[in-house]
Amino acid sequence: GQSLEQPSEVTAVEGAIVQINCTYQTSGFYGLSWYQQHDGGAPTFLSYNGLDGLEETGRFSSFLSRSDSYGYLLLQELQMKDSASYFCAVKGAGSGNTGKLIFGQGTTLQVKP
Amino acid sequence: NAGVTQTPKFRILKIGQSMTLQCTQDMNHNYMYWYRQDPGMGLKLIYYSVGAGITDKGEVPNGYNVSRSTTEDFPLRLELAAPSQTSVYFCASISNTEAFFGQGTRLTVV
Repeated sequence: GQSLEQPSEVTAVEGAIVQINCTYQTSGFYGLSWYQQHDGGAPTFLSYNGLDGLEETGRFSSFLSRSDSYGYLLLQELQMKDSASYFCAVKGAGSGNTGKLIFGQGTTLQVKP
Repeated sequence: NAGVTQTPKFRILKIGQSMTLQCTQDMNHNYMYWYRQDPGMGLKLIYYSVGAGITDKGEVPNGYNVSRSTTEDFPLRLELAAPSQTSVYFCASISNTEAFFGQGTRLTVV
């Protein structure tokens, strides 16, 4: 099967940098992705790592290490609007999991003034 | 582009009633998914499909059924609604790297 673990809550101040970690267990997967969800809204795509290393998209960066079964989302220059829930997800490959897209439980980020 | 369209947005069902949640995507994606999200929790996979005519169970399939007769449509059927099915339901389709979500259906079973 597949499972992902994230911290449940993170708090940071405006302008700071925060890192949200994700550890996973899966027999095979295509890549690790990250999604943002504001209260009452639908998840929206932030970033995808198909290969090991760092991907940068504006203030957001994401990292993957397949050998460590670990990834993280890095948010820089935090703004109040970044207060939301953040989810990591893997899309399974092989062993009956092909195409199965599984999400972590989510990390609630609270940005304070 | 419409993306992923889900209907209805809100619904109240009585225990034992049935309903179908509709989901349509216009991006020609093969992969489609149904999730439920309880308050303060993550997304739990109900069913998914890797292409027309192919469906498979996710993490929490009991009480639900799906079909995938076309690439565009992936309806979710609740046969005998129970209070435990009160939740927000999201449909999604995925390109190679990115999932696109519908706006969600808030379902209450009373």
